[in-house]
Amino acid sequence: KQEVTQIPAALSVPEGENLVLNCSFTDSAIYNLQWFRQDPGKGLTSLLLIQSSQREQTSGRLNASLDKSSGRSTLYIAASQPGDSATYLCAVKWNFNKFYFGSGTKLNVKP
Amino acid sequence: NAGVTQTPKFQVLKTGQSMTLQCAQDMNHEYMSWYRQDPGMGLRLIHYSVGAGITDQGEVPNGYNVSRSTTEDFPLRLLSAAPSQTSVYFCASSYVGDRSGYTFGSGTRLTVV
Repeated sequence: KQEVTQIPAALSVPEGENLVLNCSFTDSAIYNLQWFRQDPGKGLTSLLLIQSSQREQTSGRLNASLDKSSGRSTLYIAASQPGDSATYLCAVKWNFNKFYFGSGTKLNVKP
Repeated sequence: NAGVTQTPKFQVLKTGQSMTLQCAQDMNHEYMSWYRQDPGMGLRLIHYSVGAGITDQGEVPNGYNVSRSTTEDFPLRLLSAAPSQTSVYFCASSYVGDRSGYTFGSGTRLTVV
């Protein structure tokens, strides 16, 4: 069964810390993996999309890595800010079109 | 701005009423889908479409109907609303293919009383 797991479910850190969010998946034969951010009461905003042939993608203070063989992706956030507080969702594409979502990590960055 | 537009943003229905949630995209995406998001359940796929005239069921299709008459629009119909359908509904679209990612709408918060 294809599953996506995100641990921890919640994380609280002081401002300025570098942090890592984890995503694991059960089948290494993925097409790509996408990280999203969701603010309370809002929709999902795409952060990074990593193709199966790539090892990492970067956007500003965000860096996402992909290790298919171990079934893992990490989202690294450098120098965290209170504005980074949100829920971060990982989604994996195994099917040609369909993404499977993890349940998310709720991040709180304390001033 | 290009993207996925969902209407309405909020809706309250009485049990047994029907309604249609609208979703439109202007990116010429072939693939469109509907998810519901519930606390502790994550995002669950309701229905999806890979092009005009083609639809298929996801994980939780019961109580919902869809059709796809144009590339741009993918409405979700609730024929007889039930309290169990209280949720936040998201529409997402993408190009068909292994390399594309999703673009999401801002959601419709539905309450059935």
